Amino acid sequence: EAGVAQSPRYKIIEKRQSVAFWCNPISGHATLYWYQQILGQGPKLLIQFQNNGVVDDSQLPKDRFSAERLKGVDSTLKIQPAKLEDSAVYLCASSPQPGLTSNEQFFGPGTRLTVL
Amino acid sequence: AQSVTQPDIHITVSEGASLELRCNYSYGATPYLFWYVQSPGQGLQLLLKYFSGDTLVQGIKGFEAEFKRSQSSFNLRKPSVHWSDAAEYFCAVGGQTGANNLFFGTGTRLTVIP
Repeated sequence: EAGVAQSPRYKIIEKRQSVAFWCNPISGHATLYWYQQILGQGPKLLIQFQNNGVVDDSQLPKDRFSAERLKGVDSTLKIQPAKLEDSAVYLCASSPQPGLTSNEQFFGPGTRLTVL
Repeated sequence: AQSVTQPDIHITVSEGASLELRCNYSYGATPYLFWYVQSPGQGLQLLLKYFSGDTLVQGIKGFEAEFKRSQSSFNLRKPSVHWSDAAEYFCAVGGQTGANNLFFGTGTRLTVIP
């Protein structure tokens, strides 16, 4: 089966610009996650969707970050405006069942964002 | 508060040598524990996971990990390392109830020398 798809793979922008990342989870997976992985650190959860509803966005900087999953399938993560400290790899993951830790999370290849 | 500590930032081993990567966790309840591997430019791949039962769990690629509750540890081991094992390894902890957020350690980068 196809894995989690993300695009673009790389993005370079200047601070204060806007950027959007796209994720297509594995077909049929109800839960979708966005993680931020800063160089030298482990991934940190930004937001978790179950179908098209938000389960947890407590770590999402809502003044500049937004995310949506309108039809319960694809998701978009947006940063507006970007700051230098947003430079990171943004990982999307999905899991098959609603909100259970026992479900494996399948990760996409990530989008590497560089903010100049 | 939940946290994961991977005390070794970088480890270098010779091909064919044994490997042990350390992971210590802090979690207020019974944890679920995971090891993921990340190759350059790739997403994370699950190596193994512990939920309950036998404290020694087997994973893919010949890896195993042992859960030691008394030491709050979940160390990853492999008896003989291959050059293709060079990658970044992440330990993660999650809860058995509620939202299934995973908390990751900072990772250990493994270099394999011939």
